[in-house]
Amino acid sequence: AQSVAQPEDQVNVAEGNPLTVKCTYSVSGNPYLFWYVQYPNRGLQFLLKYITGDNLVKGSYGFEAEFNKSQTSFHLKKPSALVSDSALYFCAVAPNDYKLSFGAGTTVTVRA
Amino acid sequence: DVKVTQSSRYLVKRTGEKVFLECVQDMDHENMFWYRQDPGLGLRLIYFSYDVKMKEKGDIPEGYSVSREKKERFSLILESASTNQTSMYLCASSSPGGRSHDEQFFGPGTRLTVL
Repeated sequence: AQSVAQPEDQVNVAEGNPLTVKCTYSVSGNPYLFWYVQYPNRGLQFLLKYITGDNLVKGSYGFEAEFNKSQTSFHLKKPSALVSDSALYFCAVAPNDYKLSFGAGTTVTVRA
Repeated sequence: DVKVTQSSRYLVKRTGEKVFLECVQDMDHENMFWYRQDPGLGLRLIYFSYDVKMKEKGDIPEGYSVSREKKERFSLILESASTNQTSMYLCASSSPGGRSHDEQFFGPGTRLTVL
């Protein structure tokens, strides 16, 4: 069975500082990995995905994520955080079917 | 842009009522999903459908049923609402072909309160 862990419930950073949101996964076979973001009072939005190829994936709003097979991780990063990046972030994994398994989510707060 | 709409943003029902949550997508997606979102638990899959009249149970189907009579519409039914079904319900769809690496597009959610 596949699973995703987001070890931090909350991440707090100052505007302009680097932002990292951690995700580790457990899945048999080659994983498909995703990051979604949920802004206050809005639905989930797709940020980026890893299917195969380059381990560094670039996505929307300046975010990127690095796939590390040996550490089974897929951490989300942004070099310089903005106040508007404050949101709830979800990591998700899909094995070989349609279904996504989501992590519990990490609340990011960027202070001005 | 893909648009996924849900019939209500907020809904208040009483214990024992039958509740219908409707979801419509406008991009001819074959796959549609219903999740519930609870703090600290993330999103959990209730049911999904990969074609009209086809459905499969997700991780937490108990107490729920679904209906997909038309490709664009996927309904979630709470046969007899209970207080532990108070939650945020999210509908999603994904592009034709059902490939697991296609991202899902989400509706705005319905916050259901069962009293």
